[in-house]
Amino acid sequence: QQQVKQSPQSLIVQKGGISIINCAYENTAFDYFPWYQQFPGKGPALLIAIRPDVSEKKEGRFTISFNKSAKQFSLHIMDSQPGDSATYFCAASKTSGSRLTFGEGTQLTVNP
Amino acid sequence: GAGVSQTPSNKVTEKGKYVELRCDPISGHTALYWYRQSLGQGPEFLIYFQGTGAADDSGLPNDRFFAVRPEGSVSTLKIQRTERGDSAVYLCASSLNPGYGYTFGSGTRLTVV
Repeated sequence: QQQVKQSPQSLIVQKGGISIINCAYENTAFDYFPWYQQFPGKGPALLIAIRPDVSEKKEGRFTISFNKSAKQFSLHIMDSQPGDSATYFCAASKTSGSRLTFGEGTQLTVNP
Repeated sequence: GAGVSQTPSNKVTEKGKYVELRCDPISGHTALYWYRQSLGQGPEFLIYFQGTGAADDSGLPNDRFFAVRPEGSVSTLKIQRTERGDSAVYLCASSLNPGYGYTFGSGTRLTVV
């Protein structure tokens, strides 16, 4: 059962542009929503995370927008750079739970 | 070390053989997780340890998979009678608090031929 659906599967943007990746979840018990960045040959690295008591969280060029009623959240990367080229995963978990449920990933390419 | 260390980084084994994958978590992290990542997919949960005990092993696909963490630090994922479908990257992560704030290792790429 795919509890977290992510789109698009791949994304190409120009340097300086805005990259937007979307996720939707099914389980209303989820209350922690992180985004991970993964480079080839490396494990995922936590980028930014949000709890459902806020609708937006910003850290540098990265912003999460969260819509609890729609059960959707998105990652916005402002002023995208070639170094941002990587695979991005959204995920969700219950605070008191033991596991993260990941989306299928978005391969982002930022052209110089 | 400063990060989660996994060894070996690559493992090629023949179908039917037994393999062990090792994870050294960040010092002081009591929570340890194993995930499996197939090509082009997100990581899938396998098992979670809190201290020495397996708090949740519901992600293990079958009884050929087993994991231990005898002293609450290093963990070993064991796979018996390996099958070609077991080929994937096996990721280990640790955290101070269960459920979030994970730090992942670089993984072990297992190839069953």
